[in-house]
Amino acid sequence: SQELEQSPQSLIVQEGKNLTINCTSSKTLYGLYWYKQKYGEGLIFLMMLQKGGEEKSHEKITAKLDEKKQQSSLHITASQPSHAGIYLCGADDGYGGATNKLIFGTGTLLAVQP
Amino acid sequence: KAGVTQTPRYLIKTRGQQVTLSCSPISGHRSVSWYQQTPGQGLQFLFEYFSETQRNKGNFPGRFSGRQFSNSRSEMNVSTLELGDSALYLCASSPGLIPYQETQYFGPGTRLLVL
Repeated sequence: SQELEQSPQSLIVQEGKNLTINCTSSKTLYGLYWYKQKYGEGLIFLMMLQKGGEEKSHEKITAKLDEKKQQSSLHITASQPSHAGIYLCGADDGYGGATNKLIFGTGTLLAVQP
Repeated sequence: KAGVTQTPRYLIKTRGQQVTLSCSPISGHRSVSWYQQTPGQGLQFLFEYFSETQRNKGNFPGRFSGRQFSNSRSEMNVSTLELGDSALYLCASSPGLIPYQETQYFGPGTRLLVL
């Protein structure tokens, strides 16, 4: 079965610094999603990537899906306290393309120090 | 549009009891998926409903069940609660027409504590 591994597991950065979170899959990714979660709350959708080499940006967050479609990275530029939270990558599990079923990485906990 | 809503937000039950959680998807969305989130296992898929039919099911015991109504609202039920069922239960909705190309939008979750 497909597995997603995120690194690092946790990250503490000073406000204003850049950072990168990685998500590596054991199989080819057919759809890769990035979500953010505040502790104990729901997931906030950030971005979806589907094509190898695809890159999307929203405000100060950029996500890329590598050409081989087995790894994605999330880059935050000039981090702010509002970026703090848990970042999760999710992927379609490859189940025949007929249903919505996401598997998730273990998450990366980001703290931003003012 | 209003987002995904879940009720109740918090719930405390005792072992052996049963519980029903509710999810109202975004208007127009016909797919509702349920996930369980725990510190030990992370986020795990429970099941997905589309147009009142279960379209996929995760690896959970039969104590976990769900259904979807004609208005796309969904409920999940857990019978004979165990301590390990304590978790954040999240539902997500999407149009459901083209899986793999749709974004799933999550609700705020229901936090269940089993004592």
